[in-house]
Amino acid sequence: AQSVTQLGSHVSVSEGALVLLRCNYSSSVPPYLFWYVQYPNQGLQLLLKYTTGATLVKGINGFEAEFKKSETSFHLTKPSAHMSDAAEYFCAVSAPSGTYKYIFGTGTRLKVLA
Amino acid sequence: DSGVTQTPKHLITATGQRVTLRCSPRSGDLSVYWYQQSLDQGLQFLIQYYNGEERAKGNILERFSAQQFPDLHSELNLSSLELGDSALYFCASSEGGGGRVNIQYFGAGTRLSVL
Repeated sequence: AQSVTQLGSHVSVSEGALVLLRCNYSSSVPPYLFWYVQYPNQGLQLLLKYTTGATLVKGINGFEAEFKKSETSFHLTKPSAHMSDAAEYFCAVSAPSGTYKYIFGTGTRLKVLA
Repeated sequence: DSGVTQTPKHLITATGQRVTLRCSPRSGDLSVYWYQQSLDQGLQFLIQYYNGEERAKGNILERFSAQQFPDLHSELNLSSLELGDSALYFCASSEGGGGRVNIQYFGAGTRLSVL
């Protein structure tokens, strides 16, 4: 069975500050990991993904995440927050076989303060 | 634009009624997934279809059913609606199986309000 835990349902950062959104996963097989962003009244948009290979993955809008197997983590970071980053962020895990369904975390709402 | 189309965008109905949500996947995608997003449950996987056949079931109630048609569009049917069914329902599509990375592309959702 797979599961995802996102620590912190709400995170506030100042504009220009580092963004760190935490995601820990549980999986009995090497997982595929994803970060999605949801802006108000919109669907989910893929930010980045980890499948195999390089553990530091870069995504859109300056975000990146590092897969750390020993810590079962896949935290999302951005060096400098922008007002437009305010949104809800979801971490998801998928098994690399079978149904490929996603298991989502509960989401983290990011607020960027001017 | 993800290429996944969901209709309608909003649906307001009464308890006990039945509604149908429609999803057109991205061109070429064989898998369709349905998710429910609510304040108390978060994003929950409901069901997946792959090339017309049910592939996986999640936390889908017996009052809910889905199907995928030969043209690959999918419908989610919700019946005997209750107040607690009010939620945002997302459809996602992907290329599907075959051992490749399965990136899901999400539609904008259908917001269901049961009054």
